Amino acid sequence: EAQVTQNPRYLITVTGKKLTVTCSQNMNHEYMSWYRQDPGLGLRQIYYSMNVEVTDKGDVPEGYKVSRKEKRNFPLILESPSPNQTSLYFCASSLWGQGASWNYGYTFGSGTRLTVV
Amino acid sequence: ELKVEQNPLFLSMQEGKNYTIYCNYSTTSDRLYWYRQDPGKSLESLFVLLSNGAVKQEGRLMASLDTKARLSTLHITAAVHDLSATYFCAVPAFSSASKIIFGSGTRLSIRP
Repeated sequence: EAQVTQNPRYLITVTGKKLTVTCSQNMNHEYMSWYRQDPGLGLRQIYYSMNVEVTDKGDVPEGYKVSRKEKRNFPLILESPSPNQTSLYFCASSLWGQGASWNYGYTFGSGTRLTVV
Repeated sequence: ELKVEQNPLFLSMQEGKNYTIYCNYSTTSDRLYWYRQDPGKSLESLFVLLSNGAVKQEGRLMASLDTKARLSTLHITAAVHDLSATYFCAVPAFSSASKIIFGSGTRLSIRP
């Protein structure tokens, strides 16, 4: 089944304790992205990657890191989480290039609800 | 900068009624997407509209795209409770080529 897999689904952590949220897709998509969703603020892009070793900042990158060492994986790293990073996080992927850019929109992962206390 | 606006933001309606959600966007695009999100869940792709005049239907939902007016509509026919969810429209930001911009979402509540 074609899908984007995020782990964990739920995470409660303490301020300053480094964490990683994993994201993996099995559709051979070039484009991957991380969003956070907060009440009243909608979906905001954190980082994106248009291919292996190519990453760039989205609208709210502060406090986050990403890497794209393999095409299928795009982990989100919080080096020193703070309470304002409490949110619902989504990984998304899309086919890109070869004339298919944005022809399919995003496929979303199931989400990670992060609470930082 | 591309802006995507939906209205209404909240909609409470009775089962059996028809209604339309509107999505306006501020810059040229010939692609638009509709997603559904249930509370606490992920976003599920409903429709992908790829050209002016595109119309797609799935069950009681029908989406259309008018690129000249920069407007998409999501029409609900004879609503049923199972359609209660938040609906998002989204448009790719071609100028930056880096992302899809989402509307604020329309929270739809269908009561018996």
